[in-house]
Amino acid sequence: DVKVTQSSRYLVKRTGEKVFLECVQDMDHENMFWYRQDPGLGLRLIYFSYDVKMKEKGDIPEGYSVSREKKERFSLILESASTNQTSMYLCASSPGQRDTGELFFGEGSRLTVL
Amino acid sequence: GQNIDQPTEMTATEGAIVQINCTYQTSGFNGLFWYQQHAGEAPTFLSYNVLDGLEEKGRFSSFLSRSKGYSYLLLKELQMKDSASYLCAATDSNYQLIWGAGTKLIIKP
Repeated sequence: DVKVTQSSRYLVKRTGEKVFLECVQDMDHENMFWYRQDPGLGLRLIYFSYDVKMKEKGDIPEGYSVSREKKERFSLILESASTNQTSMYLCASSPGQRDTGELFFGEGSRLTVL
Repeated sequence: GQNIDQPTEMTATEGAIVQINCTYQTSGFNGLFWYQQHAGEAPTFLSYNVLDGLEEKGRFSSFLSRSKGYSYLLLKELQMKDSASYLCAATDSNYQLIWGAGTKLIIKP
């Protein structure tokens, strides 16, 4: 079975803290994505990566950064968490070069920033 | 701008049929996806349409009309486990996904 694993299902952090969200996929997929999901809104793309050491900004990159040192791992970093970053964060991966194809999602990380 | 519209919520009865509509406006088009998301879980892939017409997969079917910028997901013989949100997403000319806000489907006995 294909699997995308996110390190934490639930996190509570304080304003100004640095937050790391880890995502690992075991499918040898080229593409990895970070989305946030908020009620009443569609999934919004934060960052994506088509290859190791490569990253591209999505629609809402402000306040976030990413790291992809290994093919299977894509990390999302909040340098200084703010309350408006309280959200569900979803990591996804897909095979192939550049075209999206079917996305495989992790279970999500629900982050609350106090 | 790019936009996806789908109803916020729908209610249907167990054993019945329901159609969830999705209209899209994108810069270019490279296909349309439907995903299912149960509460508190990850979205899972249901279907992908790139050509006009109906794709059937068991109790679920998906239809696409490229000229009308329109798709629907048809669920037959509804079961309680079909209670979930259904997400429509269109792929633009750069193969980026544009997501709708999702339709929450409530199934009643």
